[in-house]
Amino acid sequence: DIVMTQSPDSLAVSLGARATINCKSSQSVLYTSNNKNYLAWYQQKPGQPPKLLIYWASARESGVPDRFSGSGSGTDFTLTISSLQAEDVAVYYCQQYYSTPLTFGLGTRVEIK
Amino acid sequence: QVQMVQSGAEVKKPGASVKVSCKASGYSFTSYGIGWLRQAPGQGLEWMGWISTYNGNTNYAQKLQGRVTMTTDSSTSTAYMELRSLRSDDTAVYYCARSGNANWFDPWGQGTLVTVSS
Repeated sequence: DIVMTQSPDSLAVSLGARATINCKSSQSVLYTSNNKNYLAWYQQKPGQPPKLLIYWASARESGVPDRFSGSGSGTDFTLTISSLQAEDVAVYYCQQYYSTPLTFGLGTRVEIK
Repeated sequence: QVQMVQSGAEVKKPGASVKVSCKASGYSFTSYGIGWLRQAPGQGLEWMGWISTYNGNTNYAQKLQGRVTMTTDSSTSTAYMELRSLRSDDTAVYYCARSGNANWFDPWGQGTLVTVSS
């Protein structure tokens, strides 16, 4: 199974500041035949289901604000919130879909400082 | 808009079975698969498996093999997940989500809380 390790577990960021979340996979999720990274990011607010933010490691889902961006390749990935807003308080998860069982990181809680 | 609407909360005794439904709307049901996931209280997300709504092919998480069955009814655009021989550690919110073949999940249902308690 591919293990997804997120860091940090939590972070507190001032409104308007940048938040950076890291995700590392235990093996590469880059499929060389199509040069795509099989990595997605989700946002989960309390009492709600997860919401897809990013797929293919860097493709923003329709309707997701452009302050959210994904980067990285192979085994190391980053979700960046360029200017944190109050509504971004949530837990963020990375997920690999390179191979089954599909696996998630344990989540990173983002709060306002 | 695309929506996944799940059945309501359940309370079950250990050893019982539960069947959760997930009704899809706003898209062609057989054009996407359905993934099932769960989240224990205060915990992260666990993938349970996936079903093709086109031909019924399934891919289950190994730890649930033999206890889980996923089915679909294309006439009503509804997917079902049955979990048998329930244990206390099956207590969780269960989610369905639209998915391609071993893909990302979008959108998710609202979740169904299944509580297993004697």
